[in-house]
Amino acid sequence: DAMVIQNPRYQVTQFGKPVTLSCSQTLNHNVMYWYQQKSSQAPKLLFHYYDKDFNNEADTPDNFQSRRPNTSFCFLDIRSPGLGDAAMYLCATSRGHSGRANEQFFGPGTRLTVL
Amino acid sequence: SQKIEQNSEALNIQEGKTATLTCNYTNYSPAYLQWYRQDPGRGPVFLLLIRENEKEKRKERLKVTFDTTLKQSLFHITASQPADSATYLCALDAAGNKLTFGGGTRVLVKP
Repeated sequence: DAMVIQNPRYQVTQFGKPVTLSCSQTLNHNVMYWYQQKSSQAPKLLFHYYDKDFNNEADTPDNFQSRRPNTSFCFLDIRSPGLGDAAMYLCATSRGHSGRANEQFFGPGTRLTVL
Repeated sequence: SQKIEQNSEALNIQEGKTATLTCNYTNYSPAYLQWYRQDPGRGPVFLLLIRENEKEKRKERLKVTFDTTLKQSLFHITASQPADSATYLCALDAAGNKLTFGGGTRVLVKP
């Protein structure tokens, strides 16, 4: 089945220690997104790629970076995690058809704990 | 700024009844609106999409309405089942293939 895969499902890191979360997709979608979701809150978009074009949200901290080496893979790098970065990180994809509504397909998420 | 409001209080409902959830938005004129289901510890799953020129959309036991004058969408689960227990998120389209999500409403269907 075509899907969005996130690894690992649970990640524990220490305060200030860099961490990388990964996402892969077999849907061959043009757009990949990274969201941060804290308990009982809306998913908050951090950034997204349309193909290789990177789009950063204005309020995404510089501590968060992303890479998309190819269509299938996208990575979220947190350079110096703080306690406030503990959250669920969701990867999603969409077809990105111009002028058309595009539903998003989400991975299962990675739960990040910062000690 | 754009704002999306969903009832943050959990909706407790008896099995077999209809659950009705509300999504209100301000400072926004979306071309379409989407509803997602999210189970604890999982990513959201797409359910339904309704466009600005559509009043109502149905899928099995789900029904969505979209009133652009009231700036409101209603999401109905008819003949609710315990398996429908989850958090339901509404999302509005934003520029550049993006969605803005509401905070979701948790639904608990009791047998």
